[in-house]
Amino acid sequence: GAGVSQSPRYKVAKRGQDVALRCDPISGHVSLFWYQQALGQGPEFLTYFQNEAQLDKSGLPSDRFFAERPEGSVSTLKIQRTQQEDSAVYLCASSLVGQGLTGELFFGEGSRLTVL
Amino acid sequence: GQQVMQIPQYQHVQEGEDFTTYCNSSTTLSNIQWYKQRPGGHPVFLIQLVKSGEVKKQKRLTFQFGEAKKNSSLHITATQTTDVGTYFCAGRQTGANNLFFGTGTRLTVIP
Repeated sequence: GAGVSQSPRYKVAKRGQDVALRCDPISGHVSLFWYQQALGQGPEFLTYFQNEAQLDKSGLPSDRFFAERPEGSVSTLKIQRTQQEDSAVYLCASSLVGQGLTGELFFGEGSRLTVL
Repeated sequence: GQQVMQIPQYQHVQEGEDFTTYCNSSTTLSNIQWYKQRPGGHPVFLIQLVKSGEVKKQKRLTFQFGEAKKNSSLHITATQTTDVGTYFCAGRQTGANNLFFGTGTRLTVIP
């Protein structure tokens, strides 16, 4: 597609449920980032992939959060046993360039997660 | 860890007035990027600065990167209602993979 696509756009989960959020980056983009954005806050870094390799997962808030990009394109962010504090918009971004280089990030529309 | 702070947090201006937001990092950055996020939207890239003391202009927007590569500013001349949104700076440390976003400045333009 022409841009970064995320699904679902909205997800309501009961506390304790597992959720999976999908990101389709721009075709050919090497880098993929996941960010968490709480209401009224800036995006908080979660994790970074270069192709299929997860090079940085220092931002994942707990071991309930897991991300993968097995074939170097589509990525999934999984949250296990969701808690209310997980409620946020989860943004995926891709970039043409790889590690050590600089390039603009192209963001998807985000997946808004609400945990009841 | 790396922190990127922005001031002010909010700014209300009359249409036609100027606007400036300042970004300060606790560590030296290899480069800094600026993004704009409209209400309900996602961040959209505006520009990237790499060199110490660099100044770039885009029409009414002027971006600066500090000499020490720890701070940056965005100045908008003669604001318009289309400038409404939250402006974020985002910095990367040398050799790091992650891009840290600032706290953002929400701009409201009163017609």
